[in-house]
Amino acid sequence: NAGVTQTPKFQVLKTGQSMTLQCAQDMNHNSMYWYRQDPGMGLRLIYYSASEGTTDKGEVPNGYNVSRLNKREFSLRLESAAPSQTSVYFCASSAYLMTATNYGYTFGSGTRLTVV
Amino acid sequence: EDQVTQSPEALRLQEGESSSLNCSYTVSGLRGLFWYRQDPGKGPEFLFTLYSAGEEKEKERLKATLTKKESFLHITAPKPEDSATYLCAGGKAAGNKLTFGGGTRVLVKP
Repeated sequence: NAGVTQTPKFQVLKTGQSMTLQCAQDMNHNSMYWYRQDPGMGLRLIYYSASEGTTDKGEVPNGYNVSRLNKREFSLRLESAAPSQTSVYFCASSAYLMTATNYGYTFGSGTRLTVV
Repeated sequence: EDQVTQSPEALRLQEGESSSLNCSYTVSGLRGLFWYRQDPGKGPEFLFTLYSAGEEKEKERLKATLTKKESFLHITAPKPEDSATYLCAGGKAAGNKLTFGGGTRVLVKP
């Protein structure tokens, strides 16, 4: 059971470079999310896609863009990386209805990004 | 503004020493309260969802409870393998978005 797969696992970028973080899930989930996790700040929502064909901003969207490529894949793009974007990035997916039995996010293992 | 606050930030326990973690929340339109476990270098792992005040759920040495303003995660007779960061989150039905607390780092010493 692969669950949620994120690539790459580690990345070092220079300021101003661009990159795309990839995320794919094989659980037939409708909703997908990108979070960043920083020490002392907890997990903060960057963007989410409640269902295929829709994307919306979360709490900290500035400097990022997303693409919901299909039901399985949700990518996060940094157009011009900045040191403030150094963080651990997590992709997650969930069923559409929060009241579904045992509803809960399934997270990937994370991408550790350093911008120098 | 939605807010989820966890306390304490860190907890050191002896093996077998039971304790409780607190999660207080102010989330408008709350549909569910979620608990996750996160091990170093890994993504959060889903533990429980609580939907209504008075609800309780258990898994091995963990029991989660919910009131109208807060949730507790009780760890009974913990073992070293229970060492992890425990995260709680409030969920809104709109967009299925979760707002996470800062987590409680639990260290259980043998």
